[in-house]
Parts: sequence; structure tokens; C-alpha cells
Amino acid sequence: AQKVTQAQTEISVVEKEDVTLDCVYETRDTTYYLFWYKQPPSGELVFLIRRNSFDEQNEISGRYSWNFQKSTSSFNFTITASQVVDSAVYFCALKDRGNEKLTFGTGTRLTIIP
Amino acid sequence: ETGVTQTPRHLVMGMTNKKSLKCEQHLGHNAMYWYKQSAKKPLELMFVYNFKEQTENNSVPSRFSPECPNSSHLFLHLHTLQPEDSALYLCASSQETASSTDTQYFGPGTRLTVL
Repeated sequence: AQKVTQAQTEISVVEKEDVTLDCVYETRDTTYYLFWYKQPPSGELVFLIRRNSFDEQNEISGRYSWNFQKSTSSFNFTITASQVVDSAVYFCALKDRGNEKLTFGTGTRLTIIP
Repeated sequence: ETGVTQTPRHLVMGMTNKKSLKCEQHLGHNAMYWYKQSAKKPLELMFVYNFKEQTENNSVPSRFSPECPNSSHLFLHLHTLQPEDSALYLCASSQETASSTDTQYFGPGTRLTVL
């Protein structure tokens, strides 16, 4: 069975601080895909990144970076020099190979204080 | 044109009303999805369509009836809903469900309130 745990329900940081959102997953499949989505107040889930289980290289995109560690089943997301526009709910999700279902975590509400 | 659009954005309906939610994707995808997002609950997958065929019905009550006339359009017909059905209903699309690298792209959602 697939499971995604985002233990941090809410996080608040002051603007320009760095913040890391945690994601821990469970799956029995050896091939799987991990995702992060951002949901701003408007409601739309915005796709941020997809990571394949066989590629453990960390990724950086501007102020965003992702740390994938299979040994700890974690796929953490760091925002550097946070900005008010980063305020949103962030969801981590998991998809096994050949499975059309995307399993979401419960989300982390991030508030950036000006 | 925005990738996935949903109308209406907000809907208030009584328990005896019949209404429909519409989703349209402009990404050339073949799979479409309905999700329900309630407060303090994980996103719940409701229905999946792949090449216009329904491939998943996640034990959704019959008062929710999906329709997928083509790969670009998806509807959710609502009738005799309950107050607990109030939620954000999100539509998503992806290339096709069987693809290993499939990524779902979401619309802005319809905020539904049932009185």
C-alpha cells in the first residue's frame, strides 16, 4: 500500500528565511514517482517537480531545491530566501509504476510573514 | 489558453437541486480525473477516465455522476447532494494513465457549498 506523510501541518517563517518541508513515503514497489504540488489560495494545484525512484540526484530550480533520499524514504523540499508569494499549501504525492492513482499527503500550510 | 479550466468556480446549491461541473483541458491529454478536497482531509480521487473510458470509480455515491464525452471534456453531474458534499472539486488531466512518467495537471477547482 502507498502512503505519504507530511508531519508538518503548518509552518510560519519570516520572509527571506529558508524553510524545509518534509515528506516521507511508503511503497512496496521498487519503481515509483514522487511529486510536489503547490496550492495557493486560488485553489489550483500547481505542479512543481516529479522525481523518479531510480534517480537520487538532488535538484535545484531557482530558490527551490529537493532532497531525495531512498535510504530514509524521504523527499524533502527546501525554499531558500522565502517570499510572501511562497505562502501556500504544499502537497507531496507518490505514484507507483503502472498505477494510475496518485497518493497525496495531507499537505503543509506554509505562511511567509512579511 | 490555460491548461485545465473548470466552471463554475463557485457553486451554491440546495439538496434538491441538479447541477453540473465542467472541466476542459487544452493540453492534448487522454486521461482526466475528478478529485474531492474537503477541509483537513487528503485529496480523494473520485473518478478516472482514460481515452474516454472510465477506469476508476473510487466508491463514490451515485449522487455524483461523471461524464466524459471526449478526451478534452469532463463533467460531474450532481443531484440530491448532502451538506457533507461541500468541498473543493478539482479536475486534473494527464497524458495517459498507463504511462510511467504520467504527471497530472490540475484546474483551479469548483468550490461547492450544499445548503
